[in-house]
Amino acid sequence: SQTIHQWPATLVQPVGSPLSLECTVEGTSNPNLYWYRQAAGRGLQLLFYSVGIGQISSEVPQNLSASRPQDRQFILSSKKLLLSDSGFYLCAWSVRRQGMREKLFFGSGTQLSVL
Amino acid sequence: AQTVTQSQPEMSVQEAETVTLSCTYDTSENNYYLFWYKQPPSRQMILVIRQEAYKQQNATENRFSVNFQKAAKSFSLKISDSQLGDTAMYFCAFMKYNNNDMRFGAGTRLTVKP
Repeated sequence: SQTIHQWPATLVQPVGSPLSLECTVEGTSNPNLYWYRQAAGRGLQLLFYSVGIGQISSEVPQNLSASRPQDRQFILSSKKLLLSDSGFYLCAWSVRRQGMREKLFFGSGTQLSVL
Repeated sequence: AQTVTQSQPEMSVQEAETVTLSCTYDTSENNYYLFWYKQPPSRQMILVIRQEAYKQQNATENRFSVNFQKAAKSFSLKISDSQLGDTAMYFCAFMKYNNNDMRFGAGTRLTVKP
């Protein structure tokens, strides 16, 4: 069965420090991968998605970046965090195969607090 | 761009009663998917129900059903026999067919009262 791992679960970082959040998927190949952010009490905002290694699409211009160095690994990074980067970050994956239902499977999330 | 609107920030329902959550969306696409996701206090996102736009029949999953009105671009979720465990944030979401991103509404916080 497929599983998605996201870490760390919580992170407290000072303003201006770098960031690296990692997400890996097991049990599937060539998944679509996504990073979403959820601000406190609000909906999910799509940040990045990737359809393959090295292929990243950005939805919101900001000081965050994403990379996909391996098929089932998706990394969210920042060189210098801002206070506004605080939020709950969710990694997700989806697969599109004939006969498969399209849907997103989510990781357990990372609560990032920038102080 | 597609937008998803959930006009009810908060709702409450008595245990065992029925509640309907509203969702509207805006798109020029003809083929797409619609979803309801549940986010309990654990913050884990859980798929509740999914609807393909080309299907006229409303999707159902046990106590959860939808009222999909394609012309009106409306996709409401009905929860029957509400249970305390249904207390959560509920997000409506839209995905274009053969596309790679899913768009979410702002969510509705549902509280089931004993």
